[in-house]
Amino acid sequence: GENVEQHPSTLSVQEGDSAVIKCTYSDSASNYFPWYKQELGKGPQLIIDIRSNVGEKKDQRIAVTLNKTAKHFSLHITETQPEDSAVYFCAAAFSSGSARQLTFGSGTQLTVLP
Amino acid sequence: DTGVSQNPRHKITKRGQNVTFRCDPISEHNRLYWYRQTLGQGPEFLTYFQNEAQLEKSRLLSDRFSAERPKGSFSTLEIQRTEQGDSAMYLCASSFQRGGSNEQFFGPGTRLTVL
Repeated sequence: GENVEQHPSTLSVQEGDSAVIKCTYSDSASNYFPWYKQELGKGPQLIIDIRSNVGEKKDQRIAVTLNKTAKHFSLHITETQPEDSAVYFCAAAFSSGSARQLTFGSGTQLTVLP
Repeated sequence: DTGVSQNPRHKITKRGQNVTFRCDPISEHNRLYWYRQTLGQGPEFLTYFQNEAQLEKSRLLSDRFSAERPKGSFSTLEIQRTEQGDSAMYLCASSFQRGGSNEQFFGPGTRLTVL
Protein backbone atom coordinates (compact mmCIF):
# COMPACT_ATOMS: atom_id res chain seq x y z
CA GLY A 1 0.00 0.00 0.00
CA GLU A 2 0.83 3.66 -0.14
CA ASN A 3 3.19 5.20 2.42
CA VAL A 4 3.56 8.96 2.85
CA GLU A 5 6.39 10.55 4.80
CA GLN A 6 6.25 14.21 5.83
CA HIS A 7 8.98 16.56 7.06
CA PRO A 8 9.56 18.47 9.21
CA SER A 9 7.31 17.50 12.09
CA THR A 10 7.54 21.00 13.55
CA LEU A 11 8.34 24.31 11.87
CA SER A 12 8.62 27.79 13.34
CA VAL A 13 8.91 30.85 11.14
CA GLN A 14 8.77 34.58 11.66
CA GLU A 15 5.69 36.37 10.41
CA GLY A 16 6.22 37.36 6.80
CA ASP A 17 8.73 34.61 6.07
CA SER A 18 8.05 31.57 3.89
CA ALA A 19 7.35 28.04 5.08
CA VAL A 20 8.05 24.85 3.15
CA ILE A 21 6.77 21.38 4.03
CA LYS A 22 7.89 18.32 2.09
CA CYS A 23 6.34 14.91 1.52
CA THR A 24 7.40 11.75 -0.26
CA TYR A 25 5.15 8.92 -1.39
CA SER A 26 5.87 5.34 -2.30
CA ASP A 27 3.19 4.25 -4.77
CA SER A 28 3.96 5.49 -8.28
CA ALA A 29 0.30 4.92 -9.18
CA SER A 30 -0.83 7.74 -6.86
CA ASN A 31 -2.18 10.63 -8.88
CA TYR A 32 -3.89 12.97 -6.45
CA PHE A 33 -2.10 14.96 -3.73
CA PRO A 34 -4.13 17.19 -1.40
CA TRP A 35 -2.91 19.30 1.49
CA TYR A 36 -5.04 19.80 4.59
CA LYS A 37 -4.85 22.32 7.42
CA GLN A 38 -6.10 21.22 10.84
CA GLU A 39 -6.72 23.67 13.63
CA LEU A 40 -7.13 22.61 17.22
CA GLY A 41 -10.44 20.87 17.83
CA LYS A 42 -11.42 20.89 14.17
CA GLY A 43 -11.37 18.46 11.30
CA PRO A 44 -8.87 18.80 8.46
CA GLN A 45 -9.70 21.42 5.85
CA LEU A 46 -8.49 21.15 2.26
CA ILE A 47 -6.30 24.11 1.33
CA ILE A 48 -4.91 23.05 -2.03
CA ASP A 49 -4.54 19.93 -4.13
CA ILE A 50 -2.64 18.86 -7.22
CA ARG A 51 -3.09 16.11 -9.74
CA SER A 52 -0.27 14.22 -11.36
CA ASN A 53 -0.75 15.81 -14.76
CA VAL A 54 0.60 19.15 -13.50
CA GLY A 55 3.85 20.06 -11.79
CA GLU A 56 2.81 23.17 -9.88
CA LYS A 57 -0.31 24.90 -8.66
CA LYS A 58 -0.71 28.21 -6.88
CA ASP A 59 -3.52 29.83 -4.95
CA GLN A 60 -2.66 33.27 -3.54
CA ARG A 61 0.01 32.70 -0.85
CA ILE A 62 -0.07 28.92 -1.14
CA ALA A 63 1.63 26.81 -3.80
CA VAL A 64 2.25 23.12 -4.25
CA THR A 65 4.89 21.47 -6.43
CA LEU A 66 5.01 17.87 -7.56
CA ASN A 67 7.96 15.84 -8.83
CA LYS A 68 6.56 12.54 -10.08
CA THR A 69 9.95 11.11 -10.96
CA ALA A 70 11.27 11.60 -7.45
CA LYS A 71 7.84 10.92 -5.91
CA HIS A 72 7.81 13.99 -3.75
CA PHE A 73 5.63 17.05 -3.39
CA SER A 74 5.92 20.21 -1.35
CA LEU A 75 3.73 22.92 0.14
CA HIS A 76 4.97 26.49 0.04
CA ILE A 77 3.35 29.25 2.10
CA THR A 78 4.62 32.77 1.46
CA GLU A 79 4.19 35.89 3.59
CA THR A 80 3.14 33.79 6.56
CA GLN A 81 0.66 35.21 9.06
CA PRO A 82 -0.12 34.14 12.65
CA GLU A 83 -3.41 32.63 11.48
CA ASP A 84 -1.42 30.19 9.34
CA SER A 85 -0.36 28.48 12.57
CA ALA A 86 -1.87 24.98 12.53
CA VAL A 87 -1.03 21.36 11.72
CA TYR A 88 -0.63 20.69 8.02
CA PHE A 89 -1.07 17.24 6.48
CA CYS A 90 -0.12 16.04 3.04
CA ALA A 91 -1.90 13.07 1.52
CA ALA A 92 -1.73 10.87 -1.55
CA ALA A 93 -4.30 8.76 -3.34
CA PHE A 94 -4.91 6.79 -6.49
CA SER A 95 -8.06 7.71 -8.30
CA SER A 96 -9.44 5.28 -10.85
CA GLY A 97 -13.00 6.55 -10.89
CA SER A 98 -13.65 4.86 -7.58
CA ALA A 99 -13.18 6.58 -4.25
CA ARG A 100 -9.88 8.13 -3.41
CA GLN A 101 -8.63 6.45 -0.29
CA LEU A 102 -6.37 9.09 1.17
CA THR A 103 -3.10 8.10 2.83
CA PHE A 104 -1.91 10.92 5.08
CA GLY A 105 1.49 12.00 6.26
CA SER A 106 2.13 12.40 9.98
CA GLY A 107 1.67 16.16 9.96
CA THR A 108 3.71 19.34 10.45
CA GLN A 109 2.99 21.71 13.32
CA LEU A 110 3.57 25.17 11.85
CA THR A 111 4.00 28.07 14.25
CA VAL A 112 4.17 31.60 12.86
CA LEU A 113 5.81 33.90 15.36
CA PRO A 114 4.60 37.52 15.42
CA ASP B 1 -24.25 25.28 8.57
CA THR B 2 -24.13 22.95 5.57
CA GLY B 3 -20.86 21.20 6.40
CA VAL B 4 -20.27 17.67 7.68
CA SER B 5 -21.53 17.23 11.23
CA GLN B 6 -20.60 14.56 13.75
CA ASN B 7 -22.16 13.61 17.05
CA PRO B 8 -21.25 13.37 19.78
CA ARG B 9 -18.14 15.57 19.74
CA HIS B 10 -16.72 13.80 22.78
CA LYS B 11 -17.37 10.37 24.26
CA ILE B 12 -15.87 8.88 27.40
CA THR B 13 -16.58 5.24 28.04
CA LYS B 14 -15.30 2.36 30.09
CA ARG B 15 -13.45 -0.53 28.56
CA GLY B 16 -15.82 -3.21 27.31
CA GLN B 17 -18.72 -0.86 26.58
CA ASN B 18 -20.21 -0.31 23.14
CA VAL B 19 -20.27 3.13 21.55
CA THR B 20 -21.93 4.53 18.45
CA PHE B 21 -21.05 7.67 16.53
CA ARG B 22 -23.09 9.46 13.91
CA CYS B 23 -22.03 11.39 10.83
CA ASP B 24 -24.25 13.61 8.72
CA PRO B 25 -22.55 14.38 5.40
CA ILE B 26 -23.11 17.33 3.13
CA SER B 27 -26.56 16.67 1.69
CA GLU B 28 -25.76 16.06 -1.98
CA HIS B 29 -22.61 14.04 -1.33
CA ASN B 30 -22.82 10.41 -2.38
CA ARG B 31 -19.58 9.24 -0.81
CA LEU B 32 -18.86 9.01 2.90
CA TYR B 33 -15.61 8.05 4.59
CA TRP B 34 -14.54 7.19 8.12
CA TYR B 35 -11.01 7.84 9.35
CA ARG B 36 -9.30 7.42 12.71
CA GLN B 37 -6.72 9.89 13.98
CA THR B 38 -4.49 9.30 16.98
CA LEU B 39 -2.53 12.04 18.71
CA GLY B 40 0.30 13.40 16.60
CA GLN B 41 -0.61 11.35 13.55
CA GLY B 42 -2.48 11.87 10.32
CA PRO B 43 -5.91 10.39 9.75
CA GLU B 44 -6.00 6.68 8.83
CA PHE B 45 -8.64 5.36 6.46
CA LEU B 46 -11.18 2.95 7.96
CA THR B 47 -14.00 2.52 5.44
CA TYR B 48 -16.09 4.26 2.81
CA PHE B 49 -19.57 4.17 1.35
CA GLN B 50 -20.92 5.08 -2.03
CA ASN B 51 -24.57 5.82 -1.36
CA GLU B 52 -25.66 3.00 0.98
CA ALA B 53 -23.07 0.44 -0.19
CA GLN B 54 -19.95 -0.10 1.91
CA LEU B 55 -17.34 -0.59 -0.79
CA GLU B 56 -14.06 -0.81 1.04
CA LYS B 57 -12.79 -1.57 4.53
CA SER B 58 -9.31 -1.13 5.91
CA ARG B 59 -7.60 -3.93 7.81
CA LEU B 60 -7.71 -1.46 10.73
CA LEU B 61 -11.44 -2.09 10.90
CA SER B 62 -11.52 -5.12 13.19
CA ASP B 63 -14.66 -7.23 13.64
CA ARG B 64 -15.52 -5.10 16.68
CA PHE B 65 -16.16 -2.18 14.33
CA SER B 66 -19.22 -1.88 12.14
CA ALA B 67 -20.38 0.97 9.96
CA GLU B 68 -23.69 1.53 8.25
CA ARG B 69 -25.26 4.05 5.94
CA PRO B 70 -28.78 2.68 5.69
CA LYS B 71 -30.41 5.23 3.40
CA GLY B 72 -27.36 6.66 1.74
CA SER B 73 -27.50 9.75 3.91
CA PHE B 74 -26.18 9.71 7.50
CA SER B 75 -23.80 7.01 8.70
CA THR B 76 -23.10 5.36 12.03
CA LEU B 77 -19.89 3.80 13.30
CA GLU B 78 -20.24 1.35 16.18
CA ILE B 79 -17.42 -0.03 18.25
CA GLN B 80 -18.25 -3.05 20.38
CA ARG B 81 -16.34 -4.11 23.49
CA THR B 82 -14.17 -1.01 23.42
CA GLU B 83 -10.48 -1.27 24.29
CA GLN B 84 -8.11 1.43 25.48
CA GLY B 85 -6.39 1.28 22.10
CA ASP B 86 -9.61 2.50 20.49
CA SER B 87 -9.08 5.93 22.06
CA ALA B 88 -8.72 8.32 19.14
CA MET B 89 -10.46 10.98 17.10
CA TYR B 90 -12.93 9.46 14.64
CA LEU B 91 -13.35 11.64 11.58
CA CYS B 92 -16.03 11.48 8.95
CA ALA B 93 -15.65 12.98 5.49
CA SER B 94 -17.93 13.22 2.49
CA SER B 95 -17.48 13.92 -1.19
CA PHE B 96 -19.44 14.09 -4.41
CA GLN B 97 -17.98 12.31 -7.38
CA ARG B 98 -18.01 14.70 -10.32
CA GLY B 99 -15.60 13.98 -13.13
CA GLY B 100 -12.11 13.92 -11.70
CA SER B 101 -12.98 15.93 -8.62
CA ASN B 102 -13.39 14.11 -5.36
CA GLU B 103 -12.53 16.66 -2.69
CA GLN B 104 -13.23 15.22 0.73
CA PHE B 105 -14.81 17.54 3.30
CA PHE B 106 -14.15 16.56 6.89
CA GLY B 107 -16.33 16.94 9.92
CA PRO B 108 -15.06 18.11 13.33
CA GLY B 109 -14.63 14.55 14.58
CA THR B 110 -15.72 12.58 17.63
CA ARG B 111 -13.04 12.22 20.28
CA LEU B 112 -13.33 8.84 22.03
CA THR B 113 -11.65 8.17 25.36
CA VAL B 114 -11.75 4.62 26.67
CA LEU B 115 -10.93 4.36 30.37
